[in-house]
Amino acid sequence: KQEVTQIPAALSVPEGENLVLNCSFTDSAIYNLQWFRQDPGKGLTSLLLIQSSQREQTSGRLNASLDKSSGRSTLYIAASQPGDSATYLCAVKRGSGNTGKLIFGQGTTLQVKP
Amino acid sequence: DTGVSQDPRHKITKRGQNVTFRCDPISEHNRLYWYRQTLGQGPEFLTYFQNEAQLEKSRLLSDRFSAERPKGSFSTLEIQRTEQGDSAMYLCASSPQGWDDTQYFGPGTRLTVL
Repeated sequence: KQEVTQIPAALSVPEGENLVLNCSFTDSAIYNLQWFRQDPGKGLTSLLLIQSSQREQTSGRLNASLDKSSGRSTLYIAASQPGDSATYLCAVKRGSGNTGKLIFGQGTTLQVKP
Repeated sequence: DTGVSQDPRHKITKRGQNVTFRCDPISEHNRLYWYRQTLGQGPEFLTYFQNEAQLEKSRLLSDRFSAERPKGSFSTLEIQRTEQGDSAMYLCASSPQGWDDTQYFGPGTRLTVL
């Protein structure tokens, strides 16, 4: 059974700091992995999708990496800003991809202090 | 706005009542998903449609839950005889079919069962 874990559950950093959020999964047979951002009481905003054959994806100040063999992904945020404060969720899609199901971690709540 | 929309945004109901939620996906997306999210947790998959066909259902989707997607456009999620444990955020997402099947989420419907 695929399980997704995100540690830490909460993180507080000063503005301008570079930071890394961690995501681990128990079954390396994934189709892709997606990172999302969620603001309080809102829906999810897709940040990056990494296919199982890829090692990393970049969008602006965000860089996501994937190491299937070790069951890990990281989301790197450069030069953090107060507007980055949110909960960050990772989710994996298993196997051959003939499923709609994303399996989510519990998220890391980030606070960036001015 | 060409994103995923959901209606209503908030619903308060009494235990035992029936409720129905609507989701309008991004127009060119043929895949549609429903998830449920409780406070402090990541979303949990409920069901998945490709066009009008319901291809996957979670065991979380008890007999009281039913989802439809007539004509492969909008979708409805109905909960019959609501229970307090049904209180949650119900999220809808859509995606295109293909290699990049990034799921795009709507704002969610917050259900409170009294």
